[in-house]
Amino acid sequence: KAGVTQTPRYLIKTRGQQVTLSCSPISGHRSVSWYQQTPGQGLQFLFEYFSETQRNKGNFPGRFSGRQFSNSRSEMNVSTLELGDSALYLCASSLALNTEAFFGQGTRLTVV
Amino acid sequence: GNSVTQMEGPVTLSEEAFLTINCTYTATGYPSLFWYVQYPGEGLQLLLKATKADDKGSNKGFEATYRKETTSFHLEKGSVQVSDSAVYFCALRGSQGNLIFGKGTKLSVKP
Repeated sequence: KAGVTQTPRYLIKTRGQQVTLSCSPISGHRSVSWYQQTPGQGLQFLFEYFSETQRNKGNFPGRFSGRQFSNSRSEMNVSTLELGDSALYLCASSLALNTEAFFGQGTRLTVV
Repeated sequence: GNSVTQMEGPVTLSEEAFLTINCTYTATGYPSLFWYVQYPGEGLQLLLKATKADDKGSNKGFEATYRKETTSFHLEKGSVQVSDSAVYFCALRGSQGNLIFGKGTKLSVKP
C-alpha cells in the first residue's frame, strides 16, 4: 500500500511569493493534517482536514491556508512568503479523526 | 495548556548500550502518548504508543510506559544499534485531536 506522498520534495521561493504544497494521503484515509518543522520551534500543528472540512487549526497567521478535495488529497498554501517560513512541511494522513497518523517525507521549503 | 518536555540532546552511545530518553507531559485528562522517530531526510514514523495509564507501548526493542502519577512516558531500549541513530520525538494527542510534540532528541550510536 502506497504511503503518504508529498510534492514537491524541495522548493526555493523568493520573499513575497506564494507557494502551494500538495499531499496525497494513504488510500482510504480521510483525514489530513499539516505540520511545520523548524530547528527553532520544532514541530508545530498547522491544520487538519476531514471530509473536505477544516476541523482544527493551529496558531499560524492567515497567510497559511489549506484545503482538501473530495478524493482526500490536500493542499496548503502560503502567501506573501517570509524568510521565517523556511521549514520542512509535513503532511500526515489518518483513517479518521483521532486515529494513528502516518507521515509523508515532507516538503523542504527555502525562502530567499 | 498541553505540552511535552523531553530531554535535550544530542545523546551519543556506543552500540549495545542502554538507552533512556526522558519525556514528561502536561495535559488535562489522560491523552494518548506517542514516540515518533525521524531518520535523516525522512518524515516521522510512529515507533510506539500508549492510550491509557499503565499501558506499555513496545516496538523493535523500544518500550515506554504511560505513568500518570509522574506524567511521564520515557523511552527505553536495552541494547541500541547503529541503525537506531535518528531523532526521537515524544508527543501527545491534544484535546482537539492534533499531535503536540516535544523538541526532539537526537541519538547517535557509535560502533
